Parts: sequence; C-alpha cells; structure tokens
Amino acid sequence: DTGVSQNPRHKITKRGQNVTFRCDPISEHNRLYWYRQTLGQGPEFLTYFQNEAQLEKSRLLSDRFSAERPKGSFSTLEIQRTEQGDSAMYLCASSQADSSYNEQFFGPGTRLTVL
Amino acid sequence: GQQVMQIPQYQHVQEGEDFTTYCNSSTTLSNIQWYKQRPGGHPVFLIQLVKSGEVKKQKRLTFQFGEAKKNSSLHITATQTTDVGTYFCAGQRYNTDKLIFGTGTRLQVFP
Repeated sequence: DTGVSQNPRHKITKRGQNVTFRCDPISEHNRLYWYRQTLGQGPEFLTYFQNEAQLEKSRLLSDRFSAERPKGSFSTLEIQRTEQGDSAMYLCASSQADSSYNEQFFGPGTRLTVL
Repeated sequence: GQQVMQIPQYQHVQEGEDFTTYCNSSTTLSNIQWYKQRPGGHPVFLIQLVKSGEVKKQKRLTFQFGEAKKNSSLHITATQTTDVGTYFCAGQRYNTDKLIFGTGTRLQVFP
C-alpha cells in the first residue's frame, strides 16, 4: 500500500503523559500536513512542512505540541503533558507542491483518548 | 480569523432525490477543494476549483465556485446510498498553503 500511513491507530493515555504519533507520507510527496478532528467537526489545521522545513503553524497550537520532519520524509507529532481536551483524531496528509492540484491525501488517523 | 461555514449541517434524503450543500468563506479564496469522509473513514479529495465562476462535473456531482471566490456549492443529482458521508469544503487563501475546512454537511440517504 503506497498511501499515507499513521501509527499508532489508537492511543489511550493518562492525563499528563506525553504521546508521539508518526506519519509516513506518500513517498514522492514533499508536503506534509497535520490536522486534528473532533467528532462532528471538520479537520482543523495544526501545521505543515515542505520537505524538512516547518512552514506554518496554527496559532491554536499550544507550546505542548511539537512536530518534526527531520529528513523530509516521515513526521512525528508530540503532545506533552496531555489534557483531556487533546482527545481527538489526529490526521496526517501529504501532497506534491508542484502539481497542478493541491490535492491532499489523508492517512487513516491516530485516535487519541486522554483519560 | 478566516472561517468557512457550510449549510445545512445535516441532510436526510430518499434515494433518488437531489442534494446540495453550500459553503461560504469570510475571505476571498485562491481555490476551494471538496472532500468526502465516509463514517469511520478519512477525508478523500473530490475536486479543486480555482477560477471565478468555475463549474465542474463528476458524473452526478456538480461543483460551483462563486464569482467572488468566497462561496461554493456541491450538488448531487439522484442520490444513491453510496453517497452517504460528510462532505467538506476546504478553502485556501492566497500566499498560504493552509487549508481551512468547513463545518461539513452530513448526508444520509434512505433506500
């Protein structure tokens, strides 16, 4: 399967713990996006990378959230000192910047539950 | 900040009836995209509209981009049970690659 993959698919953690999610984009895609989606809402933009550079970060993203894409391939999203309000589906998407379309391909997501 | 609203929030139709969802942005967009998310699934790209007043068709789906590039619509003719899901518009402003997703319209089709 050459689509976007995310790991783990589910994560249950206790409040105050740190969690890290991984996203592997489609191999030839140079752009990678992170979104958060809660029930009944649309995906909410968190941040995006072009290659290894983090180009934009949502102002809604607190200092407890950090994302990296060290080699311009896979990316990790870390949440420190998790809170119950962090419970959501975390979606990763990738796209090719120089294509005529800015079509984003989404992964299956990581569902985070903070107890 | 930029907001993208969609109406209606929910729509229940009988199979064979038509369906339309409307998308409105508070700011002018460089382009708008539409995605479909099936229950338990992830968003899947449907189409991108770039030009003012653009209309595109995909079989039973018709997409429109407003003249002012601030609104858009998706119309499905003769719905089928396979059309069930939530339809999101996603707007992109100039000078950014960030997509702002709308609030979504959840479509339920009864056989």
